[in-house]
Amino acid sequence: GPKVLQIPSHQIIDMGQMVTLNCDPVSNHLYFYWYKQILGQQMEFLVNFYNGKVMEKSKLFKDQFSVERPDGSYFTLKIQPTALEDSAVYFCASSPGTGGTEVFFGKGTRLTVV
Amino acid sequence: GDSVTQTEGQVTVSESKSLIINCTYSTTSIAYPNLFWYVRYPGEGLQLLLKVITAGQKGSSRGFEATYNKETTSFHLQKASVQESDSAVYYCALGETQVVGQLTFGSGTRLQVYA
Repeated sequence: GPKVLQIPSHQIIDMGQMVTLNCDPVSNHLYFYWYKQILGQQMEFLVNFYNGKVMEKSKLFKDQFSVERPDGSYFTLKIQPTALEDSAVYFCASSPGTGGTEVFFGKGTRLTVV
Repeated sequence: GDSVTQTEGQVTVSESKSLIINCTYSTTSIAYPNLFWYVRYPGEGLQLLLKVITAGQKGSSRGFEATYNKETTSFHLQKASVQESDSAVYYCALGETQVVGQLTFGSGTRLQVYA
């Protein structure tokens, strides 16, 4: 079936540095999402993105976070600067449309901030 | 706010036995929530198992079933006869029709099926 690819699977970054998480969504999808899962906790919605804009964001989507999809390429989540509490697995997802359509998830990128 | 509760963190079942994984939900913001079960097989990404968008309806896929019960605010996942290949982590989730992808997930239930 359709695949959402996340590269790399694990990233280690020094606290205070910038990190960019990359996501290659399903090619004809229009809606893109990021979720965050801290170890031992539930996966939580961060943000959704459509037509070049953030549509909804949760309280977890701090000012240090930003998302973009330049020129229809990778959908990225940038954290600048990183903090220790940003350590988590970040899942990217995409969907073709609205109205209950299926959301496809990637395998996640484990971010470790040291 | 919205929340989804899965009371079992892990369930171990013998092959060919029946299974039930509990899920209850709560929402203060969504009038007509959509309910989902997602599954993550070892080494794979999260994938949709089944969904139900209308209260009182049942969804089914790969031998699994779940009924959307608005009275008890439950969406339990059941299977009559499990197989070793069903071993995975199962997540119950809640969403809103017009806001695709903004899902509230439960904490997940790891199912281990042994021969």
